[in-house]
Amino acid sequence: NAGVTQTPKFQVLKTGQSMTLQCAQDMNHNSMYWYRQDPGMGLRLIYYSASEGTTDKGEVPNGYNVSRLNKREFSLRLESAAPSQTSVYFCASSDRGRSSGNTIYFGEGSWLTVV
Amino acid sequence: TQLLEQSPQFLSIQEGENLTVYCNSSSVFSSLQWYRQEPGEGPVLLVTVVTGGEVKKLKRLTFQFGDARKDSSLHITAAQPGDTGLYLCAVPRGGSNYKLTFGKGTLLTVNP
Repeated sequence: NAGVTQTPKFQVLKTGQSMTLQCAQDMNHNSMYWYRQDPGMGLRLIYYSASEGTTDKGEVPNGYNVSRLNKREFSLRLESAAPSQTSVYFCASSDRGRSSGNTIYFGEGSWLTVV
Repeated sequence: TQLLEQSPQFLSIQEGENLTVYCNSSSVFSSLQWYRQEPGEGPVLLVTVVTGGEVKKLKRLTFQFGDARKDSSLHITAAQPGDTGLYLCAVPRGGSNYKLTFGKGTLLTVNP
């Protein structure tokens, strides 16, 4: 039972380089998310996709783009990496809009360092 | 201004002790969730509370949602080293049930 799988797990980039973080879920969930986690800042939503074919900005979208490739896959792209984007990135997925609360399932994280 | 304030930020205790951590806000929420994150892993949902005054128990963990649905507490009885981790509370934001805002968390260390 893979759940949410994200790659790569570790990456070092030089300032100005681009890269894409890949994410796939096998739970047939409609919604997918990208969060970043920084010391003292907690988890912050970058982008989300409520359903296949839609994407929306979260709290901290600047410097990122996303693609919902199909129901399973949601990628995050850094076009020109900056040191401020050094962080741990989490992909997540969930069932859509249950009124009693929405369980979000997280991947194991991708550690990105921009030098 | 942080939507959710978690306290304490850090907590280090000995095995067998009891502890309580808090998640507070000035806003009212339709529901509140608690997650635990172990080192090197993503957060994992522990519980969802939806009713003011609600109390839920998960083995040695007791979760309470405030009567006014503005705050919550997590009490651990007889803590064990396996309870070590970052405890995060989260609430729906922006009228959307599938976007969550997280608190900064309480980092708990239980020493053998």
